[in-house]
Amino acid sequence: GDSVTQMEGPVTLSEEAFLTINCTYTATGYPSLFWYVQYPGEGLQLLLKATKADDKGSNKGFEATYRKETTSFHLEKGSVQVSDSAVYFCALTDTGRRALTFGSGTRLQVQP
Amino acid sequence: EAGVAQSPRYKIIEKRQSVAFWCNPISGHATLYWYQQILGQGPKLLIQFQNNGVVDDSQLPKDRFSAERLKGVDSTLKIQPAKLEDSAVYLCASSFQGEQFFGPGTRLTVL
Repeated sequence: GDSVTQMEGPVTLSEEAFLTINCTYTATGYPSLFWYVQYPGEGLQLLLKATKADDKGSNKGFEATYRKETTSFHLEKGSVQVSDSAVYFCALTDTGRRALTFGSGTRLQVQP
Repeated sequence: EAGVAQSPRYKIIEKRQSVAFWCNPISGHATLYWYQQILGQGPKLLIQFQNNGVVDDSQLPKDRFSAERLKGVDSTLKIQPAKLEDSAVYLCASSFQGEQFFGPGTRLTVL
């Protein structure tokens, strides 16, 4: 079945550091890929998405590129802020199945 | 635009008791999902509705969990009887044009 694997956290960075959170996936069809973010005390929010190979999703300074050859969708940000502290989930929907399959989440802690 | 509403936000029960959660999706969203998020894990699909019909309930433990979607709008998820391992956050989501919008969740603690 479909699955998503994320790097384990927590990831602790200083403000303005470069962020990478790794995500790889297994899917039988042609998945769409997503990053969701969960801020402390809040619900899940869509951060960005990509629906086909080589697409780049971007939002709020975050970027991720759909790499079919490496089955990856790594999340990057050039300069993190304290306000980016949250749990980040990589997820996919596969062909014909619209429910999301999530990774286990990566907690990011940004220190001033 | 109002988001997905869920209630209650928190619930504490004893094992073997029953509990019900309610979800009101965003107006006009035909697809509704219930996910279970155990602490430290990503959400896992329990059931998916399209209007008031079930699309996917393959991962719903049907011996104790049940769900319905009244008139294709609100939905209720019930657990009867609850087990310790049911302690989790139960998330409701509705979708429009492929994007899912999540409610704040109900945190269930089973003692």
